[in-house]
Amino acid sequence: KAGVTQTPRYLIKTRGQQVTLSCSPISGHRSVSWYQQTPGQGLQFLFEYFSETQRNKGNFPGRFSGRQFSNSRSEMNVSTLELGDSALYLCASSRPTGDEQFFGPGTRLTVL
Amino acid sequence: AQSVTQPDIHITVSEGASLELRCNYSYGATPYLFWYVQSPGQGLQLLLKYFSGDTLVQGIKGFEAEFKRSQSSFNLRKPSVHWSDAAEYFCAVISGGSYIPTFGRGTSLIVHP
Repeated sequence: KAGVTQTPRYLIKTRGQQVTLSCSPISGHRSVSWYQQTPGQGLQFLFEYFSETQRNKGNFPGRFSGRQFSNSRSEMNVSTLELGDSALYLCASSRPTGDEQFFGPGTRLTVL
Repeated sequence: AQSVTQPDIHITVSEGASLELRCNYSYGATPYLFWYVQSPGQGLQLLLKYFSGDTLVQGIKGFEAEFKRSQSSFNLRKPSVHWSDAAEYFCAVISGGSYIPTFGRGTSLIVHP
């Protein structure tokens, strides 16, 4: 069974631009969560989607948004990028029972 | 507020030595507990998990962890560390009806030859 895939793996953007990251969950997983990981703040929860609906949301500004498609693939978007948005963005999927999360390799975003 | 604490930011051990990484949590109900490992530039991989039953759980790569309710702890152990174990280790907790884990800040393991 294929694991969680994230594209692209690396991105370089400049301040003010917007970016879209993609995540394909493990087949059969309907929950997709997004995390931001930085050396200073650690792993911070962004949001979780289940059956195309945002089910949980972390404490991030509205510049961070996401969506989930009918095939459970998910995208997250960051608008008006700031230097502080430079981070590793991790996607994780889980079964409908929602216990263990399976993580993708992440997208490394650098904002210049 | 609910929290997960990994008190050691860095731990250095010699190859072949034993290892214990600490994790404490503050939750009212019995939580689901996890340990994940992250190699540089990679995502997180689950080492082991505890939901209920035997409080000593075995995981992959020779790791084990023990749930101690009285101490609100879930420490990770390995009897003999290998150089390939050098990585970042995260403790995580799910509780209170939420499906979203709360992660500790992580412990960076350095292994000396």
